[in-house]
Amino acid sequence: AQTVTQSQPEMSVQEAETVTLSCTYDTSESNYYLFWYKQPPSRQMILVIRQEAYKQQNATENRFSVNFQKAAKSFSLKISDSQLGDTAMYFCAFMKDNYGQNFVFGPGTRLSVLP
Amino acid sequence: KAGVTQTPRYLIKTRGQQVTLSCSPISGHRSVSWYQQTPGQGLQFLFEYFSETQRNKGNFPGRFSGRQFSNSRSEMNVSTLELGDSALYLCASSPRQGGSTDTQYFGPGTRLTVL
Repeated sequence: AQTVTQSQPEMSVQEAETVTLSCTYDTSESNYYLFWYKQPPSRQMILVIRQEAYKQQNATENRFSVNFQKAAKSFSLKISDSQLGDTAMYFCAFMKDNYGQNFVFGPGTRLSVLP
Repeated sequence: KAGVTQTPRYLIKTRGQQVTLSCSPISGHRSVSWYQQTPGQGLQFLFEYFSETQRNKGNFPGRFSGRQFSNSRSEMNVSTLELGDSALYLCASSPRQGGSTDTQYFGPGTRLTVL
């Protein structure tokens, strides 16, 4: 079974600074997908970024980028120029393949962006 | 396109009762997955439906069941409610066509409280 670990239960960062959230996973699969979702307080979960395991290039979406290290089974999220609206729970998620549309989620990291 | 919608948004039930939650996926999406989110257990996969068939099931008792209709709308049923069933129930839809379209899009959730 796959497992996802997020070792930082809570983090804080000053507005406009950069922060990196850690995620490690355990799997024997060679083809899979990794995602970061954010869940703002009392609001619904939205996709931040996704990475296909077969792609060596790290995904980026505006201020969000990942550092995907397949051999180390590591998938960290870097948020640049942090904004107050980035305050949320961040979940790292693993999806095995196209047939199993079921995420395995990490426990989450609560990120607070401070003014 | 309208996002994933879930009804009702809030629900209060007593132990022993049963409850039905509804999810309408994004138009054109054929896969609907359900997740339970609790502070203690985090996000856990319940089941996935695709073309009216259950394709994947998580590790939950048989009291939790679901179905999908021909228009891809899905319902989830929990019978003989227990206090521990209090949770946020999230529904997510995806096109399920493989490749880059397998991202799941989440609804706002139904907050179930069992008294």
